Amino acid sequence: NAGVTQTPKFRVLKTGQSMTLLCAQDMNHEYMYWYRQDPGMGLRLIHYSVGEGTTAKGEVPDGYNVSRLKKQNFLLGLESAAPSQTSVYFCASSYSGGIDEQFFGPGTRLTVL
Amino acid sequence: AQTVTQSQPEMSVQEAETVTLSCTYDTSESDYYLFWYKQPPSRQMILVIRQEAYKQQNATENRFSVNFQKAAKSFSLKISDSQLGDAAMYFCAYSNRGLRLDTGTASKLTFGTGTRLQVTL
Repeated sequence: NAGVTQTPKFRVLKTGQSMTLLCAQDMNHEYMYWYRQDPGMGLRLIHYSVGEGTTAKGEVPDGYNVSRLKKQNFLLGLESAAPSQTSVYFCASSYSGGIDEQFFGPGTRLTVL
Repeated sequence: AQTVTQSQPEMSVQEAETVTLSCTYDTSESDYYLFWYKQPPSRQMILVIRQEAYKQQNATENRFSVNFQKAAKSFSLKISDSQLGDAAMYFCAYSNRGLRLDTGTASKLTFGTGTRLQVTL
């Protein structure tokens, strides 16, 4: 039982490059989330999903896209990376939304030069 | 929109002592949930404690307890008998009791900015 895993753990991009962050969970959770964590700002929700095939915008969705083609996977895409997207990205999942404990992945540190 | 405020960027406590971390929130809802998450240097976010707003009894998990004051919209975390392993960032978080996406809303967490706790010998 791996819980929530994220790939990759670290990445350095140049401005304008694209990349996809992969999140996988093996707990059969319906809800999945992508957050970014910046110094002094806590965690902010980028996008989330309440089930396979659904996605919704969070607090800071601009510059990101997501897909949930399979229940266990939630992908976060950056089409044209900008230095402002330098951050630590966390994926999380939960059984029934924000009222339940969210299980977090180990995070991905992304640097955009 | 709901907001969560943690006014103490850093706190320090001696080993075996007690420390209280503050959190206030703003909401117009009556039914919601509050959480404290811990983030140690490993970066792994871990749930510490959860409180349901309609329960008047304060939640307790071993050395961790909360002081939930609904009218004041305050949700502080008390750590008793502090240990070196308690050193971490602590985040307070709020969630309303939302519905599914197909109804236009969904429950999700709003986090505070965190309090860094140092534990000294």
